[in-house]
Amino acid sequence: DQQVKQNSPSLSVQEGRISILNCDYTNSMFDYFLWYKKYPAEGPTFLISISSIKDKNEDGRFTVFLNKSAKHLSLHIVPSQPGDSAVYFCAAIPTGRGGSEKLVFGKGTKLTVNP
Amino acid sequence: DGGITQSPKYLFRKEGQNVTLSCEQNLNHDAMYWYRQDPGQGLRLIYYSQIVNDFQKGDIAEGYSVSREKKESFPLTVTSAQKNPTAFYLCASSTTGTGNYNEQFFGPGTRLTVL
Repeated sequence: DQQVKQNSPSLSVQEGRISILNCDYTNSMFDYFLWYKKYPAEGPTFLISISSIKDKNEDGRFTVFLNKSAKHLSLHIVPSQPGDSAVYFCAAIPTGRGGSEKLVFGKGTKLTVNP
Repeated sequence: DGGITQSPKYLFRKEGQNVTLSCEQNLNHDAMYWYRQDPGQGLRLIYYSQIVNDFQKGDIAEGYSVSREKKESFPLTVTSAQKNPTAFYLCASSTTGTGNYNEQFFGPGTRLTVL
């Protein structure tokens, strides 16, 4: 069973508009949620995170929102740029361990930002 | 430059042969991980190691083996027992600790194709 779900395999937006990537989780026992960005044939790079005790974290054009009651988080990119085109993975860190050794990943959403 | 290197970038093997994927890091990280990515899938954890000479199975360890004789190195062997070895393999490393999450840094990946 998949604990972290990204139900939209792809998303296409116009340059300058907002991109909203969604992620749902089924297990309440997660400490942190992270977003990774991945270009083809490269390793993922960390983008932004949020602690389970917060509901929003912002870093430049990227904002992550966490709705614990709905077990839902979203990544907002404003304004979107063509260089943002990549696959975005949502990941979660289970409670109870100090390290991130058990990152649980979603399947990813491919974002295409059109000029 | 500090980072994680994986070699080779592309690897071809005949069915029934064991193959070893290299992963080296000079970030002085204690923890190292191996993930597998299949098309349209998220990253799935194969093995991880928190310290030299110790490692644990991840979610899909069957058909794989690892060793951790040095802090810098965490090679992954894909054995002939792995039923579907063709995939993109990603190595990662992180610090360890019981405070905040420990961000995982990923290598560029190795694409293994078994013919």
